[in-house]
Amino acid sequence: ETGVTQSPTHLIKTRGQQVTLRCSSQSGHNTVSWYQQALGQGPQFIFQYYREEENGRGNFPPRFSGLQFPNYSSELNVNALELDDSALYLCASSLSHPGRYGYTFGSGTRLTVV
Amino acid sequence: DQQVKQNSPSLSVQEGRISILNCDYTNSMFDYFLWYKKYPAEGPTFLISISSIKDKNEDGRFTVFLNKSAKHLSLHIVPSQPGDSAVYFCAARAYSNSNSGYALNFGKGTSLLVTP
Repeated sequence: ETGVTQSPTHLIKTRGQQVTLRCSSQSGHNTVSWYQQALGQGPQFIFQYYREEENGRGNFPPRFSGLQFPNYSSELNVNALELDDSALYLCASSLSHPGRYGYTFGSGTRLTVV
Repeated sequence: DQQVKQNSPSLSVQEGRISILNCDYTNSMFDYFLWYKKYPAEGPTFLISISSIKDKNEDGRFTVFLNKSAKHLSLHIVPSQPGDSAVYFCAARAYSNSNSGYALNFGKGTSLLVTP
């Protein structure tokens, strides 16, 4: 079975620009979550998608938005980029009730905003 | 507000000895606690979990202990191996009625170094 794949692996953007990050879920998983990991911090929950709808959101502004597609892949969009958006963005897939097996994470996209 | 705390940023242990990584939490509604291991340039890898209704879960060299009254959990690695050197994240899962979904709350991580 394939794991979670994210693209691109690295990205440099200018403040004020928009960015789209992509994620392919692990086979059999129907739920996708996105996390932001700033340097020296643990991952912070951005939002979660199930059946193409957002069903959970952390403390992030509306300029962070997402999509889930019928094949359970997902996109994270960030508008009006700020310097503080520089971070590792992690995608995680799971079953809708992940139980004790948790979530499978991708290797992340390193976003640098200059 | 940090609901999951790992107060030790780093830990160094000799090969063959026990590694104990600690985690504290504040939210009594967490229903699962998970440990993840992360190598540089990779995503977190699931290691072991424990339900809030249990007090111990063991998987090979890894054991997680949960003390609900103290809101504390720990990960024991015995015996420690150099390949265990990585950053370990404690995470706690909460269900949100308003969102009808789960979310993981992570600690800041503990960097474990196992020396030969």
